[in-house]
Amino acid sequence: NAGVMQNPRHLVRRRGQEARLRCSPMKGHSHVYWYRQLPEEGLKFMVYLQKENIIDESGMPKERFSAEFPKEGPSILRIQQVVRGDSAAYFCASSPTSGSMDEQYFGPGTRLTVT
Amino acid sequence: GQNIDQPTEMTATEGAIVQINCTYQTSGFNGLFWYQQHAGEAPTFLSYNVLDGLEEKGRFSSFLSRSKGYSYLLLKELQMKDSASYLCAATNYGGSQGNLIFGKGTKLSVKP
Repeated sequence: NAGVMQNPRHLVRRRGQEARLRCSPMKGHSHVYWYRQLPEEGLKFMVYLQKENIIDESGMPKERFSAEFPKEGPSILRIQQVVRGDSAAYFCASSPTSGSMDEQYFGPGTRLTVT
Repeated sequence: GQNIDQPTEMTATEGAIVQINCTYQTSGFNGLFWYQQHAGEAPTFLSYNVLDGLEEKGRFSSFLSRSKGYSYLLLKELQMKDSASYLCAATNYGGSQGNLIFGKGTKLSVKP
């Protein structure tokens, strides 16, 4: 059973470009979470999605960031007009049920560098 | 407010025992997780406590006191491979039951 998959593992973008990060949850998992980790900082919750629904986006910046988890295909975290401050590791996690009752399995992360 | 506090760094010797403490304040609480994260890698699940008391799993044990908002992770018979960051995370109801509030992590260095 493959774990949580994220791609790309490393992504370099110039300021003003768009970044698209993909996450395929573990088989049988219908709950997806995105976290951001800045250097020397803890993981910060961004958004929690189920298929075709955003459940909690309280950690998402109000502008430039969006997330989706379509009926078919991976979850996508999209960052428009990237700035240097967006450089971070972005982790996706999945769980079979709501994460408050179940462990979240993390993917390997996408390391975004904005130049 | 929501806050997770844990020491930034700790050092211990191979074969010894180390205890990593975590205090938390969340608007809604339904459990405390510990994750291990090696540099440049994904966090991996270690333990989950929802009831007061000690949960033991091999060399690792985790303790929770809900009344004190306190947890610790105990690592016994330390090995060099245990050098990693240990992340304490509490559930936060907020608007959902899904998100975890993470501490900044405790970087543990195991010396020979």
